[in-house]
Amino acid sequence: NAGVTQTPKFRVLKTGQSMTLLCAQDMNHEYMYWYRQDPGMGLRLIHYSVGEGTTAKGEVPDGYNVSRLKKQNFLLGLESAAPSQTSVYFCASSYSWLASAETQYFGPGTRLLVL
Amino acid sequence: GNSVTQMEGPVTLSEEAFLTINCTYTATGYPSLFWYVQYPGEGLQLLLKATKADDKGSNKGFEATYRKETTSFHLEKGSVQVSDSAVYFCALSGVNTGNQFYFGTGTSLTVIP
Repeated sequence: NAGVTQTPKFRVLKTGQSMTLLCAQDMNHEYMYWYRQDPGMGLRLIHYSVGEGTTAKGEVPDGYNVSRLKKQNFLLGLESAAPSQTSVYFCASSYSWLASAETQYFGPGTRLLVL
Repeated sequence: GNSVTQMEGPVTLSEEAFLTINCTYTATGYPSLFWYVQYPGEGLQLLLKATKADDKGSNKGFEATYRKETTSFHLEKGSVQVSDSAVYFCALSGVNTGNQFYFGTGTSLTVIP
């Protein structure tokens, strides 16, 4: 049972390049999330998904796109990377919509540097 | 709106010292409250949680009590160890947040021998 995994662990991009971050979970969770973590700002929600084929915007969605074609995978895309997107990206998943009692499980993170 | 405010760090303590990390929240309805811990180079892990007022969450010697009257969820540990060095995040979530979690900015703790 691997839990939540993220690929890649680290990436350097030039401004304007594109890339896709992959998140995979093997816990059969319905909900998946992408966060970014910046110094002094905690975690901020970028996009989330409440089930296969669905996506929704979080707090800071601009410059990112997501897809959830399979229940176990949640992809985060940067079409044209900007230095402001330098951050650590965390994927998380949870079982149900019953957020009042639910726990999120986090991946190890992807460190992205945009030059 | 929904938000979480944590005490700013970094916090440096000697081994076996008493730890308190303050957390207060603003939320509609009655959210669940969480403490997550992030060890160096790793993702966040759930440390403890409380789902209703006056509940006490506890794990690994850490405790936090859900105080509705003061909208607080302070994290405490009686005797910290070097292995407790990490970043601690307070968070809330609930039906009224649309299943979204709101995290505080994190408090870095370093425990020295």
